[in-house]
Amino acid sequence: GAGVSQSPSNKVTEKGKDVELRCDPISGHTALYWYRQSLGQGLEFLIYFQGNSAPDKSGLPSDRFSAERTGGSVSTLTIQRTQQEDSAVYLCASSLVRGGENIQYFGAGTRLSVL
Amino acid sequence: EDQVTQSPEALRLQEGESSSLNCSYTVSGLRGLFWYRQDPGKGPEFLFTLYSAGEEKEKERLKATLTKKESFLHITAPKPEDSATYLCAVQAHSGGYQKVTFGTGTKLQVIP
Repeated sequence: GAGVSQSPSNKVTEKGKDVELRCDPISGHTALYWYRQSLGQGLEFLIYFQGNSAPDKSGLPSDRFSAERTGGSVSTLTIQRTQQEDSAVYLCASSLVRGGENIQYFGAGTRLSVL
Repeated sequence: EDQVTQSPEALRLQEGESSSLNCSYTVSGLRGLFWYRQDPGKGPEFLFTLYSAGEEKEKERLKATLTKKESFLHITAPKPEDSATYLCAVQAHSGGYQKVTFGTGTKLQVIP
C-alpha cells in the first residue's frame, strides 16, 4: 500500500504480558516516529528514527518500552510487563525530511487495552 | 521546552457558521507549524505547513494563518463533514533533530 501500515489494529492483553506493535512506513521515508495518544490527550512523542542515526529515545516513559527499526524500514515497538496505564492508541508516522520540511504521514494506530 | 496550546478544546457550530481555532506556541526557533485533521479511529491527516509570520494557506473551506506567537485555522461556512479533531504541531530548529510537538487538539462538531 501507499500509506503507513500498523498492525495489529487492536490488541487486548493481560497485565504483565509483553506486546509488540508493528509499523510499516511509506517506502523511501527516512524518518519514523512513534507516538502515544490517550483518550482526550494530545500525541505524546515516544521515539524517533532518522536514517542510520542513533534513535532519539527521550520520549519513552520507562525502560519497559523499547523500539527498533530494521533495515531502515519496518519498526517494532515493544512494551514489556504491560501495565493498565499503558492502555492507549499507539500511532506511527513516517516522513521524508526534505529541505527542512517534515510532513508526517500517520498510520491508523494500534489500540492497546491492558486488562 | 516547546509548548503548543490549542483553544477551544471543543467547538460546536451550525452548518454555515464560520469560526476560528487557535494554536498558541512557544518554541526556540520555529522551523514549521503544522495543522492536521484527525477523524475518530484514524491517524492524523496532514492539512497545512506554515513557516513564517504572515504566511497564509487555504484548502477548500479552511484557511491557516501564522503570527510569531500563534496560528489560526479559519473555517468558512463549515459543513458536517468538517467535523473532526484539528491538531496543531510545531517543529523547532534544533540542529538536525526533527522533533515535532503536538497540541491536544480542538474537537469540532458541525451540526446540520
